[in-house]
Amino acid sequence: RKEVEQDPGPFNVPEGATVAFNCTYSNSASQSFFWYRQDCRKEPKLLMSVYSSGNEDGRFTAQLNRASQYISLLIRDSKLSDSATYLCVVTTGTASKLTFGTGTRLQVTL
Amino acid sequence: DTAVSQTPKYLVTQMGNDKSIKCEQNLGHDTMYWYKQDSKKFLKIMFSYNNKELIINETVPNRFSPKSPDKAHLNLHINSLELGDSAVYFCASSQGVEGQRAFFGQGTRLTVV
Repeated sequence: RKEVEQDPGPFNVPEGATVAFNCTYSNSASQSFFWYRQDCRKEPKLLMSVYSSGNEDGRFTAQLNRASQYISLLIRDSKLSDSATYLCVVTTGTASKLTFGTGTRLQVTL
Repeated sequence: DTAVSQTPKYLVTQMGNDKSIKCEQNLGHDTMYWYKQDSKKFLKIMFSYNNKELIINETVPNRFSPKSPDKAHLNLHINSLELGDSAVYFCASSQGVEGQRAFFGQGTRLTVV
């Protein structure tokens, strides 16, 4: 079983749609959780950290469910510019090590 | 100013050659990483250094040798390049070792022919 699993997609949605991604992680001792975004042929960039209480940043909402070991990302009112690959990232242990999921590709269309 | 910069951006070389990729960060971070992104877009950690000390060394062939002359630099030297080494290599940095936010360089696209 992979440490971090995501549906690779692609998710094709029209502009204005709401789309949700889930991610599951295998190690219950995982400590920190993030969503990164990667545009085609670019480096990954942090989108948002994920907290147990849930957090929101504009149109983006992230949730963490430690009991079920999954993380979610909700994007409301999708824009064309949201088209990218969304990477679920988890850290485990005292040594700093970001473990990436394979990413979920989102394509927002007119 | 670029926070994490790596050079070169593109590298095409023949099998069997030795090459280096350089990385520098000006964020004052104490932890630096090398990640490899293969053709299936999967990002996997190779090495991590904290204050010039190696703290993570995933099962990477010993043809790959990282070097950290100071905490702002982490270079990657690859000996006897193989076709399977073709990938995008990303350098990254963060502050501390508790899974803080990481900043990535623009990547080096290595093609071995």
